[in-house]
Amino acid sequence: QSALTQPPSVSGSPGQSVTISCTGTSSDVGSYNRVSWYQQPPGTAPKLMIYEVSNRPSGVPDRFSGSKSGNTASLTISGLQAEDEADYYCSSYTSSSTWVFGGGTKLTVL
Amino acid sequence: QVQLQQWGAGLLKPSETLSLTCAVYGGSFSGYYWSWIRQPPGKGLEWIGEINHSGSTNYNPSLKSRVTISVDTSKNQFSLKLSSVTAADTAVYYCAREGNHCSGGSCHSATFDYWGQGTLVTVSS
Repeated sequence: QSALTQPPSVSGSPGQSVTISCTGTSSDVGSYNRVSWYQQPPGTAPKLMIYEVSNRPSGVPDRFSGSKSGNTASLTISGLQAEDEADYYCSSYTSSSTWVFGGGTKLTVL
Repeated sequence: QVQLQQWGAGLLKPSETLSLTCAVYGGSFSGYYWSWIRQPPGKGLEWIGEINHSGSTNYNPSLKSRVTISVDTSKNQFSLKLSSVTAADTAVYYCAREGNHCSGGSCHSATFDYWGQGTLVTVSS
């Protein structure tokens, strides 16, 4: 199974909005809503930010939102803050009953 | 509050077998799938495999021939064994719970909602 495709890096200034894409295939992102996003600051375990495409766990700010169109899912962070600087990963369930992650995107807050 | 605590050997020689265990504290153990995920230094996440309380497993096809995941429901623990390791298996290994999403009366694994602290496993001669 191939990793989902994410841009290696994105950046934005405080207060701006950024969007990270996650492109898969009709065998994963395109067929299931089991798409999640994780935030990983350096040296820490990933933290769940979005599940089932657009659902936020308790405690995650509503500045984080998710969506999906076809084989591509997206994470949007609005009102960017310095503390949002981290690596972000998407994941999806697949038609082979496995899970696949994206390659990760480094978010830099300028 | 659900907590996952993991442990295992951190330094292996090529051809040895990696062995890690993850204990689950708080919450229910049954009714969920439990996964192992790894992250080579400076690289992305890779799903290794999963198991439920009944012992039903699914593995990443690229690792399937070398991976065994087992469960001990009496201790609320699950374990990973990866045989014939090489330097390419050097990574931080995480255990994680697959959180369920319920809709229309049915539930399914939807995400990785709780993670262990991670264990760095280095393979070097």
